[in-house]
This record gives sequence, C-alpha cells and structure tokens, in this order.
Amino acid sequence: DAKTTQPNSMESNEEEPVHLPCNHSTISGTDYIHWYRQLPSQGPEYVIHGLTSNVNNRMASLAIAEDRKSSTLILHRATLRDAAVYYCILAFSGSARQLTFGSGTQLTVLP
Amino acid sequence: DTAVSQTPKYLVTQMGNDKSIKCEQNLGHDTMYWYKQDSKKFLKIMFSYNNKELIINETVPNRFSPKSPDKAHLNLHINSLELGDSAVYFCASSRDGLSGANVLTFGAGSRLTVL
Repeated sequence: DAKTTQPNSMESNEEEPVHLPCNHSTISGTDYIHWYRQLPSQGPEYVIHGLTSNVNNRMASLAIAEDRKSSTLILHRATLRDAAVYYCILAFSGSARQLTFGSGTQLTVLP
Repeated sequence: DTAVSQTPKYLVTQMGNDKSIKCEQNLGHDTMYWYKQDSKKFLKIMFSYNNKELIINETVPNRFSPKSPDKAHLNLHINSLELGDSAVYFCASSRDGLSGANVLTFGAGSRLTVL
C-alpha cells in the first residue's frame, strides 16, 4: 500500500489559515487523496478528497502538487473546534483494501 | 437522526466473556466496516461487508466474528475476550466498497475495556 508521511503535530492561532502537509511520494495514478479528521473522543470525520485537481468544499481546500507526490489541506480560518488529529490517506480503486490510517497530524489551535 | 449508530458506547467486561457490539446505518449505504483504534490511537480496519457479503477480513483472531443480517446492520461479536482486545471499535459505512473516491461515515465508537 502507498504510504503517507505527515508531521506529528502542528500549532495554529485561532482565525488564521492552517496548511497541513502530506507527502505521498509512492502514490500511483489511480490513488485518491483523502483527508479525515478525528476530534477528541469522536469517530473520524470526512474532510475532503481529490485525485489530481485542487478541491474546495465548505470545510477546507485540498491543494495537490502537480506531480501528486504531496498535498496540503488548507483550513482557511482555524477555530478552536478544528483542533483534532488530521489523517491524510491514499485510497485506490479496484480493491476493497482502502483507507489505511497512519498516525496523522495533531493540530492544536491556540486562542 | 444519527447516520451510523453503535451500541453500546461503553462496555466493561471480564476476560473470557463473550460480548457483542451492534452497528446500524440509515444512509442506504451498501458497504459497512469495523475499525479498531488501540491505545496508541492507530486505526486499523478489521472487516468490511458489501451487501451482507464479507469483502475484507484483515488478520484478526477468529474470536472476532462479524455478522450482517442486512445491509444496514453490521454487528461484531467477540468470544473469549482478552486484555489486548481493549480498544475503541468504530463502525463505518460507505456507498460502495471498491471506488477510491469512496467516502466513509463513521460512528461515534464503542469503548471496550477488558479487565
């Protein structure tokens, strides 16, 4: 399975943008890039996903490098409620073997 | 109206007992999953069912037996509980199980403590 590498932890100030990086140098052409987050004592929550183009939704933006070997999750204005573990995951089609979670990035939002 | 609901939320039991965790989804999804999150917070997939048929069965002791009576339910039965089974178990569902664009919806988790 293709692996992802994320920083263990990051800090951000409230109401400032946050850029969470993810490296996936062994990504294959059919791998989708997914981001989930897990708030304290809750189940993982879908944030965003993409294949090649940058994606925006109400929660965040996903910027995918041209060579697709890295991506960045962008929270445009961090709030205290965004403090969570953020997981970058590769998911490939054609197999039921999907969504292998790594250790993620613990995001701390400072007031 | 909870999309993926698990019961019980907390379960404390003795070693050697048998217990079940139930999961129901009201999203009309075809695929359901069980994940285990251990004390180090790693989430690992255990099982996946698509339309009541097993499609993923990771290396899990056969003391763990999933049962899917219909595509809206996936229950997890654990026999002869061991200390190492203590974890949070998450149920999830998705529209299908084969697309890389598949998005999972998770339940709130069931914390199992084996004494």
